[in-house]
Amino acid sequence: TQLLEQSPQFLSIQEGENLTVYCNSSSVFSSLQWYRQEPGEGPVLLVTVVTGGEVKKLKRLTFQFGDARKDSSLHITAAQPGDTGLYLCAGSGANSKLTFGKGITLSVRP
Amino acid sequence: DAGVIQSPRHEVTEMGQEVTLRCKPISGHNSLFWYRQTMMRGLELLIYFNNNVPIDDSGMPEDRFSAKMPNASFSTLKIQPSEPRDSAVYFCASRPDYKPYEQYFGPGTRLTVT
Repeated sequence: TQLLEQSPQFLSIQEGENLTVYCNSSSVFSSLQWYRQEPGEGPVLLVTVVTGGEVKKLKRLTFQFGDARKDSSLHITAAQPGDTGLYLCAGSGANSKLTFGKGITLSVRP
Repeated sequence: DAGVIQSPRHEVTEMGQEVTLRCKPISGHNSLFWYRQTMMRGLELLIYFNNNVPIDDSGMPEDRFSAKMPNASFSTLKIQPSEPRDSAVYFCASRPDYKPYEQYFGPGTRLTVT
């Protein structure tokens, strides 16, 4: 069974601060996705990374896939209250099934 | 374009009753997934279909759960009989074959079994 551990579990920061959160596994994934979920809604895909070492930027969000394709990080620069939500990472295996981590609850205070 | 549509959005039922959750995937998407989300276990895959055929149902917790996809635009997840431990948010997601890594989620059905 492929497991994804996300850390920290909860994070509360002030608007304008930077933060980095992590998604780790002992398994290799063919791709890794990050989703954001707001209360009462389904997860929304933010990014997919496929190549080991790959870095993708989405405005103030920077995603990195580990060289060995076992882990990933998400860095947010100058966090805003609109960034508040549950951040889920999901790894895709050979059969394209997704295994989700339990998520990181981020709260950005104005 | 309409996203994944799920109904009902909220369901409250008594233990022992039958519950049916419904999903309409995005038009043209070949794969459909049913997930369950709880605080304790996070988001878990229950079953997924490709071209209306069940491919992997290893996540279905027990025989009380069943899922069908009679056509490309409709799927149901049925729980009979329901139990309090089935209380969770159930999500449906769909994906086109040409984007094997991307799934699009519906808004979910919040199920409460009392």
